[in-house]
Amino acid sequence: EAGVVQSPRYKIIEKKQPVAFWCNPISGHNTLYWYRQNLGQGPELLIRYENEEAVDDSQLPKDRFSAERLKGVDSTLKIQPAELGDSAVYLCASSLGQGLADTQYFGPGTRLTVL
Amino acid sequence: AQSVTQLDSHVSVSEGTPVLLRCNYSSSYSPSLFWYVQHPNKGLQLLLKYTSAATLVKGINGFEAEFKKSETSFHLTKPSAHMSDAAEYFCVVSAPGSGYALNFGKGTSLLVTP
Repeated sequence: EAGVVQSPRYKIIEKKQPVAFWCNPISGHNTLYWYRQNLGQGPELLIRYENEEAVDDSQLPKDRFSAERLKGVDSTLKIQPAELGDSAVYLCASSLGQGLADTQYFGPGTRLTVL
Repeated sequence: AQSVTQLDSHVSVSEGTPVLLRCNYSSSYSPSLFWYVQHPNKGLQLLLKYTSAATLVKGINGFEAEFKKSETSFHLTKPSAHMSDAAEYFCVVSAPGSGYALNFGKGTSLLVTP
């Protein structure tokens, strides 16, 4: 069974440019998460989707970040415009649903470098 | 609120010796606890999880962890380290009070020397 797929794996852009990341979750997983992992830190949640609905976006910097999950499957995370401090690894994860026994499966991430 | 503290940012062991990675947690609710491993340029992989069943949890690759409520700890152990165990390890807590969001520790970098 295929895992969580993310693209691109690496992205280098200049500040003030837009950038987008794509995620395809594991088939049948209703819940999708976007995390940001800064260098030397653990991942931090940006947004969580239940099907196509964003149910927790409290940590998403809404002035420049946006996300969508059309049809409750694939998801796109966008930054416009990018800032130097946005350099990080952006991780996508998916799970069957909520609950203490639920397990989140992570993709390989997109490493963003903003120059 | 819930959080985890990984007590060591770096741990170095010799191949064949035991591994101990320490984690303390804080939670207002009965938590789930996880250990994830991240190899360079690879995705996060679940090693094991505790969800209020047996307090001694066995995971993949010979790792195990014991949930100790009285000590609010969830330390990760392995009897004998292998070179391939060198990676970043994250202790993670999840609880209903936060919508089951995962709260990661800052990570422990495990170095295995020949």
